[in-house]
Amino acid sequence: QKEVEQNSGPLSVPEGAIASLNCTYSDRGSQSFFWYRQYSGKSPELIMFIYSNGDKEDGRFTAQLNKASQYVSLLIRDSQPSDSATYLCAVIRGTGGFKTIFGAGTRLFVKA
Amino acid sequence: NAGVTQTPKFQVLKTGQSMTLQCAQDMNHNSMYWYRQDPGMGLRLIYYSASEGTTDKGEVPNGYNVSRLNKREFSLRLESAAPSQTSVYFCASSEAQRPGHNQPQHFGDGTRLSIL
Repeated sequence: QKEVEQNSGPLSVPEGAIASLNCTYSDRGSQSFFWYRQYSGKSPELIMFIYSNGDKEDGRFTAQLNKASQYVSLLIRDSQPSDSATYLCAVIRGTGGFKTIFGAGTRLFVKA
Repeated sequence: NAGVTQTPKFQVLKTGQSMTLQCAQDMNHNSMYWYRQDPGMGLRLIYYSASEGTTDKGEVPNGYNVSRLNKREFSLRLESAAPSQTSVYFCASSEAQRPGHNQPQHFGDGTRLSIL
């Protein structure tokens, strides 16, 4: 079992729809959770971070964290073709030097 | 504001050759990281440096060495390159990690390395 798991996709949604990206993690002591967006051939860039249970909203993006279920998600409202990218979930462990573990990423395709 | 700068951007090596990938950050960050990214594997941590003067192994350290030259610079060395090390390498930096205040990472543009 991978420490951070994501569905590889591709996830295809029509323009204007809500895209829902999911991530599960195995280390119960994990403290912090990040979503990065990576365009093809480019480096990852931070989209959202969340530390506490519940929802966190930033513009069209909402991160949701449920530590009891070891589950973190990213919702993208009013999806645009420019949102087409790979989304990486990243988790910082609670022990072992606070290493960041990345999921393999979910490819999102927004159809115009 | 350059952020995290990696050199070179592309490199082709022959099996057995050695080379050093360079990384520098201008954000006064304490922590620096080296990752490799392979198709379907996501980012895997090779080595990291929590602060100047310290380095630690990540998930896939075999075949690599690192040097934290100063607060700004963190280099990755392949002593004897192997085809399995063909990958895209990313350097990243962040403010110091501590309980309750974990910080996101800022990435360089990557080095695309091919080993024949």
